[in-house]
Amino acid sequence: EVQLVDSGGGLVQPGGSLRLSCAASGFTFSSYWMSWVRQAPGKGLEWVANIKQDGSDKYYVDSVKGRFIISRDNAKNSLFLQMNSLRVDDTAVYYCARDLDKVRGVSDYWGQGTLVTVSS
Amino acid sequence: EIVLTQSPATLSLSPGERATLSCRASQNISIYLAWYQQKPGQAPRLLIYDTSNRATGIPARFSGSGSGTDFTLTISSLEPEDFAVYSCQQRRNWPRTFGQGTKVEIK
Repeated sequence: EVQLVDSGGGLVQPGGSLRLSCAASGFTFSSYWMSWVRQAPGKGLEWVANIKQDGSDKYYVDSVKGRFIISRDNAKNSLFLQMNSLRVDDTAVYYCARDLDKVRGVSDYWGQGTLVTVSS
Repeated sequence: EIVLTQSPATLSLSPGERATLSCRASQNISIYLAWYQQKPGQAPRLLIYDTSNRATGIPARFSGSGSGTDFTLTISSLEPEDFAVYSCQQRRNWPRTFGQGTKVEIK
């Protein structure tokens, strides 16, 4: 059974940093593109970042470029999102998601989400 | 950035009725549109990808159509578990973008 377990969220002050993790199981992690998607309270979904199977290609939404870094450790079946210079408008539930095989950019399995709150 | 506009914002229907949801793209995205369902407190669930392909385990009452800039998700006969928020998403260009969602509520 495919499972994605998000962790690492919490309360952080503006300008602070946080590192999110996603533990994957039940599939060959190294064979899939992976994504982070977020959802601000009461708002719609926003795609944040995407990473290729071997980590050689990464894409980001403009609002997080230069502040967030997506990475992965295929030996540990783990996906990460390093978030720096956090702003109040980064407050959201963050989901890790697996991209559908051969359909990059569409996610067929999602974690349960981890809440990041940026507030003073 | 490609903007996706969903309509209506809210759809009030009864179980057994047909639901028709619209998603319009700000530029041509060919067939590269997906639909997700989301219930309160839950992660999104992929329903349809590349306009009309149902994801694994998705019932046949869900269907998608369209191309270019205009797309439709149809639920042929609403079941009680179908009342939720539906979002479209394009994968034609980076960044991937989502519509703002259509809430299907019980009338």
